[in-house]
Amino acid sequence: SQQGEEDPQALSIQEGENATMNCSYKTSINNLQWYRQNSGRGLVHLILIRSNEREKHSGRLRVTLDTSKKSSSLLITASRAADTASYFCATVQTGANNLFFGTGTRLTVIP
Amino acid sequence: SAVISQKPSRDICQRGTSLTIQCQVDSQVTMMFWYRQQPGQSLTLIATANQGSEATYESGFVIDKFPISRPNLTFSTLTVSNMSPEDSSIYLCSVRTSAYNEQFFGPGTRLTVL
Repeated sequence: SQQGEEDPQALSIQEGENATMNCSYKTSINNLQWYRQNSGRGLVHLILIRSNEREKHSGRLRVTLDTSKKSSSLLITASRAADTASYFCATVQTGANNLFFGTGTRLTVIP
Repeated sequence: SAVISQKPSRDICQRGTSLTIQCQVDSQVTMMFWYRQQPGQSLTLIATANQGSEATYESGFVIDKFPISRPNLTFSTLTVSNMSPEDSSIYLCSVRTSAYNEQFFGPGTRLTVL
């Protein structure tokens, strides 16, 4: 079952621009994880942010978490054509072990 | 991070047959999971593979349709039984070393049922 939703469903930007994707979820969480999936292939783990953290960085990625609003955002700066992929957020609910996925955002970066 | 391999990487099967997917991890992991990703959709958790005991299935998934084995801490299998075209999906094995750590995914098995 899906824990949440992502917004927008699809995003198209020019190379060099920043891309922001948002994720909303429904219940209290232990942590939230972001993944990238190139067309029809496996998932690449991007970043994990814990419920007591508000912001994390990894290279060109910046993730924020607002537990009061039950939402997270993924910012990709200075986008590249190779960033074209689907991006998913996923959460581990408090007191549970399972990781549930959002609906995903399809990002297209135009060269 | 764990290195996860799956076999087969893809298969085309006939309706009514069964396919067993293998998942091998290069290190012992506490938690193993099986997910399904239908075309154009997000990932849905099928079950948690428990070592030495029956798998724990999510709502909408049953053992008769998706029997799972996990004989040790590095290996698991998922069988898709009595397949129909609606079972055409990518099936992904996933592992986590603890409840609070990153979860990693295998490359997936792309199944097409004719």
